[in-house]
Amino acid sequence: DTEVTQTPKHLVMGMTNKKSLKCEQHMGHRAMYWYKQKAKKPPELMFVYSYEKLSINESVPSRFSPECPNSSLLNLHLHALQPEDSALYLCASSHPPRDKKETQYFGPGTRLLVL
Amino acid sequence: GQQVMQIPQYQHVQEGEDFTTYCNSSTTLSNIQWYKQRPGGHPVFLIQLVKSGEVKKQKRLTFQFGEAKKNSSLHITATQTTDVGTYFCARGTGGFKTIFGAGTRLFVKA
Repeated sequence: DTEVTQTPKHLVMGMTNKKSLKCEQHMGHRAMYWYKQKAKKPPELMFVYSYEKLSINESVPSRFSPECPNSSLLNLHLHALQPEDSALYLCASSHPPRDKKETQYFGPGTRLLVL
Repeated sequence: GQQVMQIPQYQHVQEGEDFTTYCNSSTTLSNIQWYKQRPGGHPVFLIQLVKSGEVKKQKRLTFQFGEAKKNSSLHITATQTTDVGTYFCARGTGGFKTIFGAGTRLFVKA
């Protein structure tokens, strides 16, 4: 199984709402990532978890709160978002980098609209 | 710095024509990865190149890694409408961070 799944596919939320994005993989990968992608732009790294521990936080505002409950699951909790946070949120997973192999497998993403 | 420059930004081709996108770095790359993102889709891994001068082929796609490991290219022979999308190169950093180029958007006219 070489699939990363994400739910929901689409999400519309108000600026006072609290919502969560979910990501799951069953490839045995021990690194999981959250990216934000704006239209016509490349994916922008937000967070990296390695062996269920937060490894990288790219200075993301605290209104985004990641969580890694176990090696297969990754959540992104959203609270008090701004309209400019509307984007495609991509989850990815990979084996921990070794032998210069850093391939990442992306999920289909959640298209988020903040009103 | 660690950025990778990708050109062109976009290209329109007639179906059957060839297409090439280039990725350049001012510093030596440990590896280069290529991803394709269809319109409305998500990035899909195509290939990773690690060795200096490496050339790999996938059907009509040819990937090259420069001798100095500072540049890479993706060439598509005889484009088809299914090739439409954005092609990203990405550099590995030896850690968990992967730095993506800006992407090249390919438009194919039937």
